[in-house]
Amino acid sequence: DTGVSQNPRHKITKRGQNVTFRCDPISEHNRLYWYRQTLGQGPEFLTYFQNEAQLEKSRLLSDRFSAERPKGSFSTLEIQRTEQGDSAMYLCASSPPGQGYEQYFGPGTRLTVT
Amino acid sequence: GEDVEQSLFLSVREGDSSVINCTYTDSSSTYLYWYKQEPGAGLQLLTYIFSNMDMKQDQRLTVLLNKKDKHLSLRIADTQTGDSAIYFCADPDRGSTLGRLYFGRGTQLTVWP
Repeated sequence: DTGVSQNPRHKITKRGQNVTFRCDPISEHNRLYWYRQTLGQGPEFLTYFQNEAQLEKSRLLSDRFSAERPKGSFSTLEIQRTEQGDSAMYLCASSPPGQGYEQYFGPGTRLTVT
Repeated sequence: GEDVEQSLFLSVREGDSSVINCTYTDSSSTYLYWYKQEPGAGLQLLTYIFSNMDMKQDQRLTVLLNKKDKHLSLRIADTQTGDSAIYFCADPDRGSTLGRLYFGRGTQLTVWP
C-alpha cells in the first residue's frame, strides 16, 4: 500500500516563473487537500477536492494559484508568476470516504523562489 | 476561524514521559488529531480521539481530552531519541468544508540521551 506521493520534492525557480506540482493520493481516497507550510508554522489550508470537484478554496489562494483534479485521482497545483513570498513547503493530503477526517500527508514539495 | 494553541518547545531525557499540550476553540469538533513531523518530511498521523472519549491509549501514546476546557494532550511514555520531532495538534473545521484541518504551530520535542 503506497502512501501519498508528491513531485517534485524540491523546486527552485526564479521570481516570475510558473511552477506546477503534482500529488498522487492513496488509491480510493476521494478527498484531497492542499496545504502550505512556512518555517515555524503549522500547515495552512489552501484548497479541497471531493472526487474531481473543487469544493473550497482558502483566501490564501490568490488568483495566481490554480488547482485541478481532472479525473478525481491525481491533482496539480500551479503557481503563476511566482513571488518570493510563495517560498514554502506545499503539502498534499488525502482522506478516505466516510465520517472521519483523518488525512494522510505526502512528503511535500519544497519551493524556493529566488 | 479557528485557533489552535501549543507550547513551542519541550525537552525531555530519554526514558522519561513527554506531555504535549494543545488548546482549541471549536467546541463542535468530533475528532481531534495528533501529527508528527520529522525534519524535511510531511506529516505522519499519530493518533486521534473522538470527542465523546476522555482518553485513548495506543501503545506508548495516551491522548487525554478535556472538552469543558477545550484542552487536548499527548503523552508519550518511555520517550526515545527517535521521538524527537515537531508534534501538531489538529482540529477539523466543521463550519466550513468537510475536513479542513486547523493546525497549531507545533511543539518541537527534543529528547536528550
